[in-house]
Amino acid sequence: EAEVAQSPRYKITEKSQAVAFWCDPISGHATLYWYRQILGQGPELLVQFQDESVVDDSQLPKDRFSAERLKGVDSTLKIQPAELGDSAMYLCASSLESGRPYEQYFGPGTRLTVT
Amino acid sequence: AQSVTQPDIHITVSEGASLELRCNYSYGATPYLFWYVQSPGQGLQLLLKYFSGDTLVQGIKGFEAEFKRSQSSFNLRKPSVHWSDAAEYFCAVGARPGTASKLTFGTGTRLQVTL
Repeated sequence: EAEVAQSPRYKITEKSQAVAFWCDPISGHATLYWYRQILGQGPELLVQFQDESVVDDSQLPKDRFSAERLKGVDSTLKIQPAELGDSAMYLCASSLESGRPYEQYFGPGTRLTVT
Repeated sequence: AQSVTQPDIHITVSEGASLELRCNYSYGATPYLFWYVQSPGQGLQLLLKYFSGDTLVQGIKGFEAEFKRSQSSFNLRKPSVHWSDAAEYFCAVGARPGTASKLTFGTGTRLQVTL
């Protein structure tokens, strides 16, 4: 069964350092989502891509976070500089397309710890 | 804006007992509704979804949920819980089709199963 791949699974970094996460969605899925899940809370959408275009980044802290999906396939989420409050699970999900009934398939996540 | 409330943070049930996890949503029209399960340190797995039609939906692992428009609820049920069902459960609401079809998650209910 096809899965969403994410790497790394775990990342420990010092505050003020840069960190990047990678996501490879299920083949053929046009829509890609990055979520942040703080311990004890539900996931919160950071950014949504339709192919290579951003369709929703209203909750992305753009002063330090950036996301790209250059060829409309895999995606990278970057934080620079990292802050203590960025410690969380970063989840990537994909779906066939937006704008119609959809199912989002989630990857295993990247657990970030900022020290 | 759409929102989800899961009033129970933590529930403990005995193996073999029945289970009901509560979910209330707020949305201006008939929403898309989902239940996801998350095992520790893992991503989210879709249990079931409601888009339209029959208000009682069946999912994987023996779970079902009932959409009640009058109560704005979408409670998850299972007649007999297994120890492997111990996990965190998230209810989510999705907006009707549009350019940005994000999911809004509740804060989750942690299920503990005693033997």
